[in-house]
Amino acid sequence: GAGVSQSPSNKVTEKGKDVELRCDPISGHTALYWYRQSLGQGLEFLIYFQGNSAPDKSGLPSDRFSAERTGGSVSTLTIQRTQQEDSAVYLCASSLAGGVEGYTFGSGTRLTVV
Amino acid sequence: AQSVTQLGSHVSVSEGALVLLRCNYSSSVPPYLFWYVQYPNQGLQLLLKYTSAATLVKGINGFEAEFKKSETSFHLTKPSAHMSDAAEYFCAVSRNSGNTPLVFGKGTRLSVIA
Repeated sequence: GAGVSQSPSNKVTEKGKDVELRCDPISGHTALYWYRQSLGQGLEFLIYFQGNSAPDKSGLPSDRFSAERTGGSVSTLTIQRTQQEDSAVYLCASSLAGGVEGYTFGSGTRLTVV
Repeated sequence: AQSVTQLGSHVSVSEGALVLLRCNYSSSVPPYLFWYVQYPNQGLQLLLKYTSAATLVKGINGFEAEFKKSETSFHLTKPSAHMSDAAEYFCAVSRNSGNTPLVFGKGTRLSVIA
């Protein structure tokens, strides 16, 4: 597509429920990144894909968080048993391999856990 | 490991005044450096990047930044602020080998006063 598409744009969920966030990167971008943005905390790296494999998943905060990427394209970030501290904006970005030209970001998914 | 420090979580300038947003980095290897801008309820947009070519980098919307290795700095400037420049600005660093996720600073919110 023309840009990085994320869905849903907003998600309100009850504490303890599972949620899935979707990212559709730019066609041809082999690298895909997930970040979390909380108020006053900047962008926190979660996980990075090169193709379908994840060379760096060091930023996932707990085992409740997981992500996958299929067909070298769409990625899904899953949060199980959501907690209130999971409330944040989840940003996805994609880039050509290596990312040295910079990333293209989606508009994000705002997750609110009540 | 790389890290980024942005001095000042909030900067306020008058319309027409100089904009200076500070960024200092830490990297054990030559870095790639980036500035991104985020408008309300949007994703991040690349303003400019330093990838070991010219030390003075010009970006979009009249912004520029100078890489100073001796000061480990990559400050963002614009000679004359416009109301439309009001946004959140993020500095980011990556190893120049690529293939590593960008590390972002916590951001600086720029307000422009008429």
